[in-house]
Amino acid sequence: GAGVSQSPSNKVTEKGKDVELRCDPISGHTALYWYRQSLGQGLEFLIYFQGNSAPDKSGLPSDRFSAERTGGSVSTLTIQRTQQEDSAVYLCASSLGGAGVGSYNSPLHFGNGTRLTVT
Amino acid sequence: DAKTTQPPSMDCAEGRAANLPCNHSTISGNEYVYWYRQIHSQGPQYIIHGLKNNETNEMASLIITEDRKSSTLILPHATLRDTAVYYCIVRALYNFNKFYFGSGTKLNVKP
Repeated sequence: GAGVSQSPSNKVTEKGKDVELRCDPISGHTALYWYRQSLGQGLEFLIYFQGNSAPDKSGLPSDRFSAERTGGSVSTLTIQRTQQEDSAVYLCASSLGGAGVGSYNSPLHFGNGTRLTVT
Repeated sequence: DAKTTQPPSMDCAEGRAANLPCNHSTISGNEYVYWYRQIHSQGPQYIIHGLKNNETNEMASLIITEDRKSSTLILPHATLRDTAVYYCIVRALYNFNKFYFGSGTKLNVKP
């Protein structure tokens, strides 16, 4: 079946501009995560959505970053007034999530990310 | 949350078994061990996970020591396409939205 889809795959923007990154999770997955990966580094947690619960925003690096998830499916990560240090690959993942038996340990399935370059 | 320690790189001959170690000495009883790999320019790919019993699937085997302080991912017959960075992750049951990726092990499979 279809995996996690992210768009665009690449985005080049000028410093100070706003960008929106999109994630389509796997159908039926109630949990959605955003991570970012700087060049040669590990993954950094940004934000987590689970169903209709309030998102866990504890990983967002500044108030320039925000995310929403409409209808419990598609998510958009928005970066306002981009800075050069925002350049990274932004990865989205989804999982079964929820409180059902076995769902808390369901693996995350990642998309191939959006490579953001801020010039 | 428990952290993991992995060697930065390993080499393996094509066709041989690749054994990737991971130390997680501060792991708690409710924390699962997950393995992912990342091939250049792609998102991380799920491989396998376990709590305390050894696990096997079509991709790999996971061996967890009895005290759970370390584990080994085994790729039984490594191919060139298995060249990737392999991440060992400990995931807490009650903080399961936080998936902490460390630096991983770069596995180089050589012909």
